[in-house]
Amino acid sequence: DVKVTQSSRYLVKRTGEKVFLECVQDMDHENMFWYRQDPGLGLRLIYFSYDVKMKEKGDIPEGYSVSREKKERFSLILESASTNQTSMYLCASSPGSGGAHEQFFGPGTRLTVL
Amino acid sequence: AQSVAQPEDQVNVAEGNPLTVKCTYSVSGNPYLFWYVQYPNRGLQFLLKYITGDNLVKGSYGFEAEFNKSQTSFHLKKPSALVSDSALYFCAVRGPGTASKLTFGTGTRLQVTL
Repeated sequence: DVKVTQSSRYLVKRTGEKVFLECVQDMDHENMFWYRQDPGLGLRLIYFSYDVKMKEKGDIPEGYSVSREKKERFSLILESASTNQTSMYLCASSPGSGGAHEQFFGPGTRLTVL
Repeated sequence: AQSVAQPEDQVNVAEGNPLTVKCTYSVSGNPYLFWYVQYPNRGLQFLLKYITGDNLVKGSYGFEAEFNKSQTSFHLKKPSALVSDSALYFCAVRGPGTASKLTFGTGTRLQVTL
């Protein structure tokens, strides 16, 4: 079974702190994604990556950056956390190119910024 | 641009009754359509997908969905609901030429009662 793991289930940070969220997948997937989930808004794509060292902006990239140095690992960085970044963050991965593949999700990190 | 609408925030159904969770989409070209389920404090789990072929797609846990091109809909159905089906359900769409990006709906909470 595909496994996507995220470094923390719950995280509490202070405004202005730099925050790192880590995601690791074990199925050699090319594509990796970061979403945030907010009530009433569904999932919104922050960034995605289709290869090592490659990244593309999603729908809401402002205030975030990403890093993909190894195929299995995709990091989301909040350069200076703000209270409006309090949310559930979900990482996902999927194989190959084309549109037919489903995405596999990690358990999520619930981030609270005080 | 691609989009998904889930018109109901919540659906209530009695155990043993059939359930339907509605989804309509907008995309240029032929869509790839997905349903995911999220249990409390968990990531999303893949239920089923429509890529091509039969309009009726069968998935996990007895769920199925019907693709209707003329109505641009992909409603999720189950003949007999279980209390354990209570969860948050997301519909997602991917259009041609959008790499691997999925666009999610805002989610529908399904509540199944005894």
